[in-house]
Amino acid sequence: TAGITQAPTSQILAAGRSMTLRCTQDMRHNAMYWYRQDLGLGLRLIHYSNTAGTTGKGEVPDGYSVSRANTDDFPLTLASAVPSQTSVYFCASSALDSSTDTQYFGPGTRLTVL
Amino acid sequence: GQNIDQPTEMTATEGAIVQINCTYQTSGFNGLFWYQQHAGEAPTFLSYNVLDGLEEKGRFSSFLSRSKGYSYLLLKELQMKDSASYLCAVLDSNYQLIWGAGTKLIIKP
Repeated sequence: TAGITQAPTSQILAAGRSMTLRCTQDMRHNAMYWYRQDLGLGLRLIHYSNTAGTTGKGEVPDGYSVSRANTDDFPLTLASAVPSQTSVYFCASSALDSSTDTQYFGPGTRLTVL
Repeated sequence: GQNIDQPTEMTATEGAIVQINCTYQTSGFNGLFWYQQHAGEAPTFLSYNVLDGLEEKGRFSSFLSRSKGYSYLLLKELQMKDSASYLCAVLDSNYQLIWGAGTKLIIKP
């Protein structure tokens, strides 16, 4: 069972370039999330989607956009990357069908913006 | 504002017991999660508490006191593979997860 996959595993990107981080889940979960994780800080929510066709802003949405065309895919786009977007990006999903809504994480994408 | 506090780093000995504390101040409370994250890997779910008390799951137990805004994760019979970061997260009134920065646990032989 794949669970959640992310691509690429890592990437070095020149500042000003655009990039899309891909995330796919095969668990038929309703909700999907994008986090960034930086040293010394907790996971911070960038964007989320509670169901296909809807998205919402998290704690740190500026500079990022998402779409949710179907249940399985939730790509994250950086339109014009800046060095402060250097981070590890995790995609997660949850069923969103009970109060114990456990989130399951993909393996992460390590992004360096130079 | 919302805040989750946990120690940055702890050291323990193989075979011993360690308790990792987490205190929180959030807008509402709909449960508290503990996750384990090995270096370079994704967080993985360990436990969920929504009612006061102790939840035991093998070598790991998690405790919650809602009135004190406090939780701890207890790891028994420590093994080298338990060396990891342990993340505390609270589900707030909007059902958003608020994450602590994590506690890095170092196990020494």
